Amino acid sequence: QKEVEQDPGPLSVPEGAIVSLNCTYSNSAFQYFMWYRQYSRKGPELLMYTYSSGNKEDGRFTAQVDKSSKYISLFIRDSQPSDSATYLCAMSAISGTYKYIFGTGTRLKVLA
Amino acid sequence: DAGITQSPRHKVTETGTPVTLRCHQTENHRYMYWYRQDPGHGLRLIHYSYGVKDTDKGEVSDGYSVSRSKTEDFLLTLESATSSQTSVYFCATVAGEISYEQYFGPGTRLTVT
Repeated sequence: QKEVEQDPGPLSVPEGAIVSLNCTYSNSAFQYFMWYRQYSRKGPELLMYTYSSGNKEDGRFTAQVDKSSKYISLFIRDSQPSDSATYLCAMSAISGTYKYIFGTGTRLKVLA
Repeated sequence: DAGITQSPRHKVTETGTPVTLRCHQTENHRYMYWYRQDPGHGLRLIHYSYGVKDTDKGEVSDGYSVSRSKTEDFLLTLESATSSQTSVYFCATVAGEISYEQYFGPGTRLTVT
């Protein structure tokens, strides 16, 4: 079993829909959680960064962490065709080594 | 954005030849990383550095070596390239101390024929 599991998709939604992207993990030591957006043939771009549990909102994006269930989510409101990309989750423990484990990514297509 | 550049951006090389990829950052971040990204595998850590001349192996380090002689530069070397090393290579940095945010470069697309 992988330390971080992420549904690869593709996930297709109509423009304006609310999108929910999720990752599950097995290591209870993870404390830092990140979401990246990666457009085709580009480097991953840091979208959201959360420490421990709770919610964080930035514009149309909301990141949620549920440590009791070992489950993180990224919600995109009012999705746009420009949101079409692969979304990667990543996480790290407070270990001093600053090493990160990534999900394999979910491909999202927002249809105009 | 940590001002990360990678060179070359694209490279085609033959099996058995040595290849060096360069990562350069302008933000004085302490930690630097090399990942490879392949379909179905996501991002996998090759090597990382936690300071000048301080490096350690990641999960897929076989066939790769690294060097970091200056804070701003992190080099990845494939001693003798193989077709299985055809991939997209990303460099990343983390400031460290109180910051865990990791930033990525634009990537190098390497093809080994």
